Amino acid sequence: GQSLEQPSEVTAVEGAIVQINCTYQTSGFYGLSWYQQHDGGAPTFLSYNALDGLEETGRFSSFLSRSDSYGYLLLQELQMKDSASYFCVLNQAGTALIFGKGTTLSVSS
Amino acid sequence: DAGITQSPRYKITETGRQVTLMCHQTWSHSYMFWYRQDLGHGLRLIYYSAAADITDKGEVPDGYVVSRSKTENFPLTLESATRSQTSVYFCASSEMGQRETQYFGPGTRLLVL
Repeated sequence: GQSLEQPSEVTAVEGAIVQINCTYQTSGFYGLSWYQQHDGGAPTFLSYNALDGLEETGRFSSFLSRSDSYGYLLLQELQMKDSASYFCVLNQAGTALIFGKGTTLSVSS
Repeated sequence: DAGITQSPRYKITETGRQVTLMCHQTWSHSYMFWYRQDLGHGLRLIYYSAAADITDKGEVPDGYVVSRSKTENFPLTLESATRSQTSVYFCASSEMGQRETQYFGPGTRLLVL
């Protein structure tokens, strides 16, 4: 089967850098995505890693290592509006997306 | 309006009743998905569709029925609602070949009494 593990909560202060880790088990997948969801809102796509390495999108970066079954989302220059839940997501071979249970990020001033 | 919409946004029903949640997208995306979100479980895939008249089960399909006669619509029916189906339901769509990039609707909050 497949599984995803990510921390349930992370706290940080404005202006800081935070890294949300994700480890996974799968028999085959195309890549790892990250989604953001604010309280009461819908998930929104942040980034996707099909290949090993770093993908950068503004203040957010995502990393994948297939050999280590590991990925992370890096958020820089944190702002209050970054307080949200972040999901790592497997683009699973043979089926659709498998979501992790999410990491709640709380940013304080 | 362009985008992906869901209706109703809120629904209260009773156990045993049939409920249909609607999803409509204006992008002509090939893929459409239904998820449920519950505390402690994240988002779980119920059903998905790669094109009109093609549907596949996800992780938690029991008690749900879907159809897709038109590309833009993907209704989800709870044939006989149960309390365990109280949840927030999200519909999403994506382009062919870009399943990893899904666009979500605003969600339907369903309460089964």
